[in-house]
Amino acid sequence: DAGVIQSPRHEVTEMGQEVTLRCKPISGHDYLFWYRQTMMRGLELLIYFNNNVPIDDSGMPEDRFSAKMPNASFSTLKIQPSEPRDSAVYFCASSFLAGVSDEQFFGPGTRLTVL
Amino acid sequence: AQSVTQPDIHITVSEGASLELRCNYSYGATPYLFWYVQSPGQGLQLLLKYFSGDTLVQGIKGFEAEFKRSQSSFNLRKPSVHWSDAAEYFCAVGTPSSASKIIFGSGTRLSIRP
Repeated sequence: DAGVIQSPRHEVTEMGQEVTLRCKPISGHDYLFWYRQTMMRGLELLIYFNNNVPIDDSGMPEDRFSAKMPNASFSTLKIQPSEPRDSAVYFCASSFLAGVSDEQFFGPGTRLTVL
Repeated sequence: AQSVTQPDIHITVSEGASLELRCNYSYGATPYLFWYVQSPGQGLQLLLKYFSGDTLVQGIKGFEAEFKRSQSSFNLRKPSVHWSDAAEYFCAVGTPSSASKIIFGSGTRLSIRP
């Protein structure tokens, strides 16, 4: 398996623009996680899905952020409109088993810069 | 709620020297504990995890960690570091009641001196 795939790897956009980040989890994994990493706040869980259903989105910072998982092999994280404070590295991760005990496999991340 | 603290932001050790990275957690019962490593420009990779049983856990790349309930610690160790170990290391904690959510520490950046 190729692992978790994220695209794009780098995104530079201007304030106010819509940004869409994409993730393909490892085949067969039922859980998908979106994280944000910044120097100030470290690694934060934004939202996670189980079998394509959002389970916990309490980490989504505000209504400008939305995430979808239309099928088992694809998820998007959208920011509309984007702001400079959204600049961060966004990671997608997936896991196979239920519960916190299972290993999460991380993608390489998308580095987002909002000017 | 559970929390995790990594008191060292940056550590530099000489190649071939031993390493210990500190991690302290806060939780009333026995948590699930993890160490992840992040190489520059990469995602995180699991080094090892502890759920129960033997308090000394062996992981990949020659790393080990010891769970000490009395000290609420889960320190990561390696007897002899290699230049390729230079990376950011994250301790993380989860609990049986937190479903699939784990909380990451702020990370410790490890530099290797030639």
